[in-house]
Amino acid sequence: GAGVSQSPSNKVTEKGKDVELRCDPISGHTALYWYRQSLGQGLEFLIYFQGNSAPDKSGLPSDRFSAERTGGSVSTLTIQRTQQEDSAVYLCASSSGAGGPRPQHFGDGTRLSIL
Amino acid sequence: GENVEQHPSTLSVQEGDSAVIKCTYSDSASNYFPWYKQELGKRPQLIIDIRSNVGEKKDQRIAVTLNKTAKHFSLHITETQPEDSAVYFCAASNEAGTALIFGKGTTLSVSS
Repeated sequence: GAGVSQSPSNKVTEKGKDVELRCDPISGHTALYWYRQSLGQGLEFLIYFQGNSAPDKSGLPSDRFSAERTGGSVSTLTIQRTQQEDSAVYLCASSSGAGGPRPQHFGDGTRLSIL
Repeated sequence: GENVEQHPSTLSVQEGDSAVIKCTYSDSASNYFPWYKQELGKRPQLIIDIRSNVGEKKDQRIAVTLNKTAKHFSLHITETQPEDSAVYFCAASNEAGTALIFGKGTTLSVSS
């Protein structure tokens, strides 16, 4: 596709369940980012992948959060044992190239609601 | 780590007026400063960006200025239109250049 694609667009789950969120970056983009946006707030960085390099996980809020990127393309963000405070919009972005910050292009996000 | 402050949190202007949003950052190593526009329920859209080797950049009605010494940068929108109404976010790259640190956003309302 032409843009960053995320699925599902909405996810409602019960507290304590695990969830998986998917991101398909723009074709050819080597860098992929996950952010979290709580209601009325700015975006909070979670994790960064660049090619085959070790990811920057410095933004993950707890060990319940993990992410992987297989084959340098699609990424999955997993939240285990979800809590109500995990409710937010999870946004994925991608950018081209390495060697410094590049313009990031965002997907539409996954709206996660924990009951 | 990097911290980005953004002001004002809300801004109301009349159509045709100018709007200015200001951001400050803490990490002098930051070298990339984008601005995003987010309409309700939609994805953030990059509208303009500036790198630390440039003091000003303009694209039609939008301009961004950067003062590296003072560690602040501003978004200027001239001749505002109702379709400019949205939440605007500034951001700065972190020291490693691996992520963007965002301000909390400015809700701009342009009334006709």
